[in-house]
Amino acid sequence: GDSVTQMEGPVTLSEEAFLTINCTYTATGYPSLFWYVQYPGEGLQLLLKATKADDKGSNKGFEATYRKETTSFHLEKGSVQVSDSAVYFCALSDLTGGTSYGKLTFGQGTILTVHP
Amino acid sequence: EAGVAQSPRYKIIEKRQSVAFWCNPISGHATLYWYQQILGQGPKLLIQFQNNGVVDDSQLPKDRFSAERLKGVDSTLKIQPAKLEDSAVYLCASSYRRSSGNTGELFFGEGSRLTVL
Repeated sequence: GDSVTQMEGPVTLSEEAFLTINCTYTATGYPSLFWYVQYPGEGLQLLLKATKADDKGSNKGFEATYRKETTSFHLEKGSVQVSDSAVYFCALSDLTGGTSYGKLTFGQGTILTVHP
Repeated sequence: EAGVAQSPRYKIIEKRQSVAFWCNPISGHATLYWYQQILGQGPKLLIQFQNNGVVDDSQLPKDRFSAERLKGVDSTLKIQPAKLEDSAVYLCASSYRRSSGNTGELFFGEGSRLTVL
């Protein structure tokens, strides 16, 4: 079945440092890939997505590129802020075909803490 | 636009007791999901509804868990009897569906945290 593996966490960085959170996936079809974020005390929310190979999703300074050859979707940000402290989840969904219902399969999550 | 509403936010029960969680999705969202998130793990899908029909309940422990969405709007997830390993956050999410299929963007509620003693 489909699965998502994220880098072992947690990750602790100083403000303005470069961030990479690794994500690899296994899927039988041609999935869409997502990063969701959960800020303290809030629900999960979509951060960015990419629906096909070589697409780049971006939002709030975060970027991730869909790499089919390495089955990866690593999350990056050039300069993190304290407000980026949250839990980040990589996820996939097989949206191919009009009958798909958009079920998400999540990785285990990576806790990011950014210090001033 | 109102978000996904869930209640209660917190619940503490003893094992073998029962508990129910309620979810009201975003208006107009036909697809509703219940996820279980155990501490330190990613959310795992329990059940997915399209309108009031079940699309996927393959991961739902049907001997103790049940869920319904009678009028295609709000939904209830019940656990009876609860076990210690059911301690988790239960997340409800909804999404809209285009004619070409779902977009993959789910809108989550804040979750209901269950502690089983």
